[in-house]
Amino acid sequence: EAQVTQNPRYLITVTGKKLTVTCSQNMNHEYMSWYRQDPGLGLRQIYYSMNVEVTDKGDVPEGYKVSRKEKRNFPLILESPSPNQTSLYFCASSFGYNEQFFGPGTRLTVL
Amino acid sequence: AQKVTQAQTEISVVEKEDVTLDCVYETRDTTYYLFWYKQPPSGELVFLIRRNSFDEQNEISGRYSWNFQKSTSSFNFTITASQVVDSAVYFCALRIDDKIIFGKGTRLHILP
Repeated sequence: EAQVTQNPRYLITVTGKKLTVTCSQNMNHEYMSWYRQDPGLGLRQIYYSMNVEVTDKGDVPEGYKVSRKEKRNFPLILESPSPNQTSLYFCASSFGYNEQFFGPGTRLTVL
Repeated sequence: AQKVTQAQTEISVVEKEDVTLDCVYETRDTTYYLFWYKQPPSGELVFLIRRNSFDEQNEISGRYSWNFQKSTSSFNFTITASQVVDSAVYFCALRIDDKIIFGKGTRLHILP
């Protein structure tokens, strides 16, 4: 089944404790992206990647890192999480300029 | 600057009524793509439609239709004969090169 998976689905952590949210797709898509969704703000792009070893900043990259060492994986790294990074995070992938397929979301709470 | 505006934050209509969700975008680029996604109460994001900037043809898919007008930079979405299952948050998105910008979404309530 074609899908984008994210782990964990839910995470509660404390300020400053490094964490990684994994994202994996099995559709051989070149394009992958991370978003955060906050009430009243819609989805905002954090980082995106056009292919292996090619990443770029979206609109809200501060406090986040990504890597794309393999085509299927695009982890989101928070080196030192802060409470303002409490949010719902979505990973997505697409083929070319076609529609994005989204993961189920990761709800992160930073205390 | 690129921007997507969904001015309607929340809309409530009675079942079977028609409803139009507005999307206005801003870009100086001539090549871009527009999308609509649906987020039902269960939370997943579901693709509805994609349009590229060179294709202004309107589209109808069942009860859903889309009106793309470059002259007014709008890409509006109409649901005809709405149903309770249409209750969701709807997002319009603009893709320019590799960057994607979403509107803030319109929460649609269909009342039985």
